[in-house]
Amino acid sequence: GQNIDQPTEMTATEGAIVQINCTYQTSGFNGLFWYQQHAGEAPTFLSYNVLDGLEEKGRFSSFLSRSKGYSYLLLKELQMKDSASYLCAVRTLDAGNMLTFGGGTRLMVKP
Amino acid sequence: DTGVSQDPRHKITKRGQNVTFRCDPISEHNRLYWYRQTLGQGPEFLTYFQNEAQLEKSRLLSDRFSAERPKGSFSTLEIQRTEQGDSAMYLCASSLTPRNTEAFFGQGTRLTVV
Repeated sequence: GQNIDQPTEMTATEGAIVQINCTYQTSGFNGLFWYQQHAGEAPTFLSYNVLDGLEEKGRFSSFLSRSKGYSYLLLKELQMKDSASYLCAVRTLDAGNMLTFGGGTRLMVKP
Repeated sequence: DTGVSQDPRHKITKRGQNVTFRCDPISEHNRLYWYRQTLGQGPEFLTYFQNEAQLEKSRLLSDRFSAERPKGSFSTLEIQRTEQGDSAMYLCASSLTPRNTEAFFGQGTRLTVV
């Protein structure tokens, strides 16, 4: 089976930096994705890692260590609109490259 | 808008009734996925299509659930004899293979069974 763990909730201050961790156990690993989801809306793609290392995309960066089964999403210069759920998802080679999601981390950004 | 669209956005039904949802993927995408998401949880995989062929079904997909993608374009998900436990957000996503791209999600259909 597959197991993906991430914290349930986090709180951070506007303008600060926050790191959301994700650990996974899976077979047939074919990439790790981070999605952002505002309440009642569709998940939207943020980042993708398939090789070890850091991928940077504006205020968002994502890191992957395949040997440790570990990833994190780093959000810099937090804005109030970043308050949302952040979903870590592992893509596997079975079932047509389906995504298996963690439970999501609800981030609350406070002034 | 060329994103993934789902219809309806919301559906309230009485227990025991049948419901059908529709998903229109991004036009050139050959893979289409259905997921179910309950409050406070991440989406859970239900089934996927490669063009018109349904290639995988999760054990979450009981016999009351059926999905089709008759012409390899839009897809429908039908739930027969709905139960209160079916209340959830039903998300559709599409992607393009073999280009290894990310999956794009629709805004979902929120089903409430009363």
